[in-house]
Amino acid sequence: QSVLTQPPSVSGAPGQRVAISCTGSTSNIGAGYDVQWYRQFPGTAPKLLIYGNNNRPSGVPDRFSGSKSGASASLVITGLRADDEAKYYCHSYDTRLGGSEIFGGGTELTVL
Amino acid sequence: QLQLQESGPGLVKPSETLSLTCSVSGDSVSGTAYYWAWLRQAPGKGLEWIGSVFYTGTTFYNPSLESRATLSIDTSANQFSLRLHSVTAADTAVYYCARRRSYGQANTYNPISYYYAMDVWGQGTAVTASS
Repeated sequence: QSVLTQPPSVSGAPGQRVAISCTGSTSNIGAGYDVQWYRQFPGTAPKLLIYGNNNRPSGVPDRFSGSKSGASASLVITGLRADDEAKYYCHSYDTRLGGSEIFGGGTELTVL
Repeated sequence: QLQLQESGPGLVKPSETLSLTCSVSGDSVSGTAYYWAWLRQAPGKGLEWIGSVFYTGTTFYNPSLESRATLSIDTSANQFSLRLHSVTAADTAVYYCARRRSYGQANTYNPISYYYAMDVWGQGTAVTASS
């Protein structure tokens, strides 16, 4: 069971907007730690999409955006495309037991 | 362009030690803005952080794996390594190495005051723990 909670799956039609939530607690996101988002296609390594809650690395389209409020964060994808179909993970830091990088369980995005 | 490449045996016997190396090209492991991390992903499961190492040899570990994991770094060879002792079937996973980049002034590993991310990943190497 992951420390950060994500919905197992979300779906949307091409062109639509989808949001993926990531819920933490007072020892991680709620304590002020930032959230990163990664995308992973089957059989490949994760790729960074968002760092510091809402910052895109060079090369990531502005269709991807992030936000954070309280102990939760969200990844929003607009203008959904078929090739957005992948698994998305949130990532943060937790202060329990001396500190640890933590990940959500991942959300499978299906483009209908 | 920064590239990371994992290498090591794909099969390890239970109770033995898993040893992996990550070779870094296109940048130096001695950069002060970076830690170098190992993560893993069991079949059909999510991502799990194992630990991170700084060029000075300073290490941080996942508390759940700290008793069995050892990370090290070789700045002359521009590579870093993972040793996981006393493996069981539960250690079967794809193992990734990654760069943990700090986007601001990072005086501590605790990222409360700066942005950071695992910004570059290796392709991953599958390891099976089985006799």
